[in-house]
Amino acid sequence: GENVEQHPSTLSVQEGDSAVIKCTYSDSASNYFPWYKQELGKGPQLIIDIRSNVGEKKDQRIAVTLNKTAKHFSLHITETQPEDSAVYFCAASKTQGNLIFGKGTKLSVKP
Amino acid sequence: ETGVTQTPRHLVMGMTNKKSLKCEQHLGHNAMYWYKQSAKKPLELMFVYSLEERVENNSVPSRFSPECPNSSHLFLHLHTLQPEDSALYLCASSQVRDTDTIYFGEGSWLTVV
Repeated sequence: GENVEQHPSTLSVQEGDSAVIKCTYSDSASNYFPWYKQELGKGPQLIIDIRSNVGEKKDQRIAVTLNKTAKHFSLHITETQPEDSAVYFCAASKTQGNLIFGKGTKLSVKP
Repeated sequence: ETGVTQTPRHLVMGMTNKKSLKCEQHLGHNAMYWYKQSAKKPLELMFVYSLEERVENNSVPSRFSPECPNSSHLFLHLHTLQPEDSALYLCASSQVRDTDTIYFGEGSWLTVV
């Protein structure tokens, strides 16, 4: 079955710097890759997603890139702000499959 | 507000108790999910319902029993749980079962004493 590896497990950056979180997946049939942000005491919230027919997607300060050949995808956050501090999860799924999550990255943005 | 509401938000129960977690989605979705989130493991899929039919049961112990009476409501019945079952239980929904955006509720924090 699908296996999703996520790195790093913790990430600390200064406000204004960029943050990058990377994930790899094992099943080449996976074709949907969402990213979720989970703040303390809340459920995960979708922040951006990408499907396998595109290589990059951007939404204001966040972007996701996908390399299907290498089976990895990354989340990029630019101009980080303290409110970006949270746990971020990547995930992968395929048609008729279930969403499989990485173990999460705890991002801390220091003012 | 995500459109997925879970109650109760916090629950403390003894190992011999019977309790239930409730989830309601206001999004008109056809698929609903229960996930378990604990400190040591990533989000674990427990059950999937599509059009009110259970389509996935990921080797979950029988002390967890799901129920989906209609496409808007999902329950997780709990009976004779163990302390290691203490975790955040997340309900989620999506329009269709696969490769579609999943929307999570805020979760129910369960402590088994």
